[in-house]
Amino acid sequence: QQQVRQSPQSLTVWEGETAILNCSYEDSTFNYFPWYQQFPGEGPALLISISSVSDKKEDGRFTIFFNKREKKLSLHITDSQPGDSATYFCAASYMGYKLTFGTGTSLLVDP
Amino acid sequence: DMKVTQMPRYLIKRMGENVLLECGQDMSHETMYWYRQDPGLGLQLIYISYDVDSNSEGDIPKGYRVSRKKREHFSLILDSAKTNQTSVYFCAIPGHAEQFFGPGTRLTVL
Repeated sequence: QQQVRQSPQSLTVWEGETAILNCSYEDSTFNYFPWYQQFPGEGPALLISISSVSDKKEDGRFTIFFNKREKKLSLHITDSQPGDSATYFCAASYMGYKLTFGTGTSLLVDP
Repeated sequence: DMKVTQMPRYLIKRMGENVLLECGQDMSHETMYWYRQDPGLGLQLIYISYDVDSNSEGDIPKGYRVSRKKREHFSLILDSAKTNQTSVYFCAIPGHAEQFFGPGTRLTVL
């Protein structure tokens, strides 16, 4: 049973638009949620993360919105650039132990 | 910067052959991880090592074993590889509350 779900599976946006990637989880003990960015041929790299005590985390053009009650998160990428084209993974853990990953969203930014 | 290395980067083996994947790190972290990544399935945890000769099964350990004789090195071993073990394998080390991944090994079992 998939404990961390991501949608959509793939997403295409135009350059300059905002891309919205969704994530939901089931285990209420999860309290740390990193998002990873992965380019073809490379390992996942930490992009931005949030803990359950916050409802928003911003880092430049990347923002996580967190709804603890609904067990949902979303990653917003504003002013999307072609270089943002990658696969994005949402993950969840309790205190950073044993990350559980979603299945990923493949983002394509058309110039 | 934390650095995780993996060797080889690409490997082709025939079904039934033995496979050795190597991972190295330069930070003397006690904990290391092995994952596999398949399309549509994300990353799945195979094994965790908490230190030399202290290893624990992850979520999908069947068909794999590991070896950790030095803190800097963590090996993933496939005895008699199967075609369904064709995948990309990643090694990772922990950071503050996240994990840092190596570049991966793409294994094809024919």
